Amino acid sequence: QITLKESGPALVKPTQTLTLTCSFSGFSLSTSGLGVGWIRQPPGKALEWLALIYWDDHKRYRPSLKSRLTITKDTSKNQVVLTMSNMDPVDTATYYCAHFREAAAIFPDHWGQGTLVTVSS
Amino acid sequence: QSVLTQPPSVSGAPGQRVTISCTGGSSNIGAHFDVHWFQQLPGTAPKLLIYTNNIRASGVPDRFSGSKSGTSASLAITGLQAEDEADYYCQSYDTNLSGWIFGGGTKLTVL
Repeated sequence: QITLKESGPALVKPTQTLTLTCSFSGFSLSTSGLGVGWIRQPPGKALEWLALIYWDDHKRYRPSLKSRLTITKDTSKNQVVLTMSNMDPVDTATYYCAHFREAAAIFPDHWGQGTLVTVSS
Repeated sequence: QSVLTQPPSVSGAPGQRVTISCTGGSSNIGAHFDVHWFQQLPGTAPKLLIYTNNIRASGVPDRFSGSKSGTSASLAITGLQAEDEADYYCQSYDTNLSGWIFGGGTKLTVL
């Protein structure tokens, strides 16, 4: 059974760096073809993909946010960490991590419960 | 504005059939990238409903079906039930963005 859970601060101040951790079980990120990604959803708005890390440590970022994002993995701990620098109130959202399933273009098939991050002074 | 266009809302009475469209372009659905559908119940995380255009995820009733043609895809729900009231999102991959894209979401109301 694949499960994922996000953890991190509920409140960050503008200009601060956000660090979110995705802890997962039920799969290994060393398995060929898999990935773990981050997707966010501002209150009342649509989903937006942010970053993805593959089993081979290849990384992909949303181009408009690439300069602010870093994704890393710790395979031994079954964790993926996302950092986002220079946070702004418009970054207020629920942040989800997701298991990406192997496919021609891999896609998110299992999601964590999400963690709401509010950016405010 | 999302790269994939969905109607903001649809509605239907219990037992009826509704469809939700997802319109893309030549850099995503039209480029033969698969479409996946997610259901998001109020206050919960998205859940995979349909993957690779028309395959139901595990445990999803056969009242839900997906299709894809050209630069568009559709989700059909037959025999509407009150528990189907949720937001529905389509998802694909886009070569211009070089990343994963979602539709703007459709709110389904069961009358």
